[in-house]
Amino acid sequence: DTEVTQTPKHLVMGMTNKKSLKCEQHMGHRAMYWYKQKAKKPPELMFVYSYEKLSINESVPSRFSPECPNSSLLNLHLHALQPEDSALYLCASSPVGRATGELFFGEGSRLTVL
Amino acid sequence: KNQVEQSPQSLIILEGKNCTLQCNYTVSPFSNLRWYKQDTGRGPVSLTIMTFSENTKSNGRYTATLDADTKQSSLHITASQLSDSASYICVVSAILGFQKLVFGTGTRLLVSP
Repeated sequence: DTEVTQTPKHLVMGMTNKKSLKCEQHMGHRAMYWYKQKAKKPPELMFVYSYEKLSINESVPSRFSPECPNSSLLNLHLHALQPEDSALYLCASSPVGRATGELFFGEGSRLTVL
Repeated sequence: KNQVEQSPQSLIILEGKNCTLQCNYTVSPFSNLRWYKQDTGRGPVSLTIMTFSENTKSNGRYTATLDADTKQSSLHITASQLSDSASYICVVSAILGFQKLVFGTGTRLLVSP
């Protein structure tokens, strides 16, 4: 199994809503990532979890709250988002401690904030 | 400043033709270079990953080259197919206690029948 599974594939939410994006992998990878990608732009790193602990937060606004409940799951909780937060949110995973560790991406969650 | 530049920005070729995409980088300390294919609205899919000592790596009709001295890489696509239409992203990894990925802006390839 070499898949990273993201749900939902599409999400439309209002600025006052609370929603969550979910990501799951069963490759035994202990590093998991959230990226944000706007149209025609490369992915931008948001968060990195290593061994279920938050390692990197790229100065992401607090309306995005990541959570890593176990080694297979990664969530991104969304609250009070702005229309400019509309984007494709990509989850990825990789082995830890290997310089050439392959990074596997999920299919993404397309978020629209009204 | 760590940067990855790709050219051309976009490319249209006829089905069956070959093409070459370019990637120049200024990333240090260098760990590896990856090429990803990304269909519109989908997640990137890895094509190749190359370390400092590797010059060429193939994956089916995709062949990547790496010149670590000039900090250049290319992705050659042979006998293009309509399904090759996508964005191709060059990603260079730096070792900064963890792997820091620097993404290029991609080349948008359209294969026309």
